Amino acid sequence: IAGITQAPTSQILAAGRRMTLRCTQDMRHNAMYWYRQDLGLGLRLIHYSNTAGTTGKGEVPDGYSVSRANTDDFPLTLASAVPSQTSVYFCASSDSMGGGTDEQFFGPGTRLTVL
Amino acid sequence: GQNIDQPTEMTATEGAIVQINCTYQTSGFNGLFWYQQHAGEAPTFLSYNVLDGLEEKGRFSSFLSRSKGYSYLLLKELQMKDSASYLCAVSDSNYQLIWGAGTKLIIKP
Repeated sequence: IAGITQAPTSQILAAGRRMTLRCTQDMRHNAMYWYRQDLGLGLRLIHYSNTAGTTGKGEVPDGYSVSRANTDDFPLTLASAVPSQTSVYFCASSDSMGGGTDEQFFGPGTRLTVL
Repeated sequence: GQNIDQPTEMTATEGAIVQINCTYQTSGFNGLFWYQQHAGEAPTFLSYNVLDGLEEKGRFSSFLSRSKGYSYLLLKELQMKDSASYLCAVSDSNYQLIWGAGTKLIIKP
């Protein structure tokens, strides 16, 4: 693994189904983030984690949950998918959250379609 | 509310110079970022400004005026590979990034 990976690359999901998007980084970054990107809108933060064992809500957390059991993994779960969750989802990581440049590194994204 | 504004689309000619503007209104300010995003790909970091002034990095430069809530990204000697979306983002008082919708830059030969 080099950098940050996401799985699956794309998914078509029936409404009401549960889905977990996976994210793994090998840079030993403390902070990790989940964003969604919709046409005509900026990236919007769903959830974040400052360090393993802690998580926080971003701008659009409703309908999503996350966990951070270890440094490397930060899965995003949709408990019961709805069509409005159709989007491109990006996972990102940074050395820390705040206190400097803290450039965020992004995974390749997951394109999710909820029908 | 928090708001980041940037033009939706710009067109420029190969070899020329283009300036992409970004204005912001946020709760707190801990720096401004510019990212590049090619179609279908992930954003990649270009620059970070936290103090007023110009930061130069090769063909790309970024300027910040905190008093005006304004930044620009200057791209010189444009190449076809510079065709991409350019995203402006501000780190707010909670160190969360607030993102603009992005400026799609089209480079013509």
